[in-house]
Amino acid sequence: DQQVKQNSPSLSVQEGRISILNCDYTNSMFDYFLWYKKYPAEGPTFLISISSIKDKNEDGRFTVFLNKSAKHLSLHIVPSQPGDSAVYFCAASDSMDKIIFGKGTRLHILP
Amino acid sequence: EAGVAQSPRYKIIEKRQSVAFWCNPISGHATLYWYQQILGQGPKLLIQFQNNGVVDDSQLPKDRFSAERLKGVDSTLKIQPAKLEDSAVYLCASSSLYGTSYEQFFGPGTRLTVL
Repeated sequence: DQQVKQNSPSLSVQEGRISILNCDYTNSMFDYFLWYKKYPAEGPTFLISISSIKDKNEDGRFTVFLNKSAKHLSLHIVPSQPGDSAVYFCAASDSMDKIIFGKGTRLHILP
Repeated sequence: EAGVAQSPRYKIIEKRQSVAFWCNPISGHATLYWYQQILGQGPKLLIQFQNNGVVDDSQLPKDRFSAERLKGVDSTLKIQPAKLEDSAVYLCASSSLYGTSYEQFFGPGTRLTVL
């Protein structure tokens, strides 16, 4: 039973345009959401997070939006750059320590 | 600040053999996690330590997997005997007890291939 779902295995976006990665969750007890970025042969690295009491969090080119009623969050990257090509994992937590990850979306930034 | 160290980076074994992975977390991080990431999936938590005590091992296949964190610093994860379905990347992560514990810092992982 997947509690965190990333339904798009891959996404291709032109350099300079906006990348939008989507994530859905089923557990209404989740109170914290994170995005991790992973390059090949490296471990995931933390990118941005959002608490359930907010609906938006922005950090430079990265913005995460949370729609609690729809149990949906999205990561926006604008403008997209070649170095953004990676696998992005959506993750959620209902406690301070345990994180549940989605399957990931591979983002390709096209020149 | 040095990151999370893991070794070996790659390991190939035959089924029914044993294998061990080592992890050294970021200095001062009290919480240590082992994850299994099967190709095409997200990381799945196997076991979580706080200092040298186990917090959560509910998804650890205890008939073949074991882990320890002696002295509350580095940790080893062992598989004995290995099965074909254990082929995966094993990730170690750590987080600070006093910082933002949601932000886990991951090592590069050990890619295990079981033949």
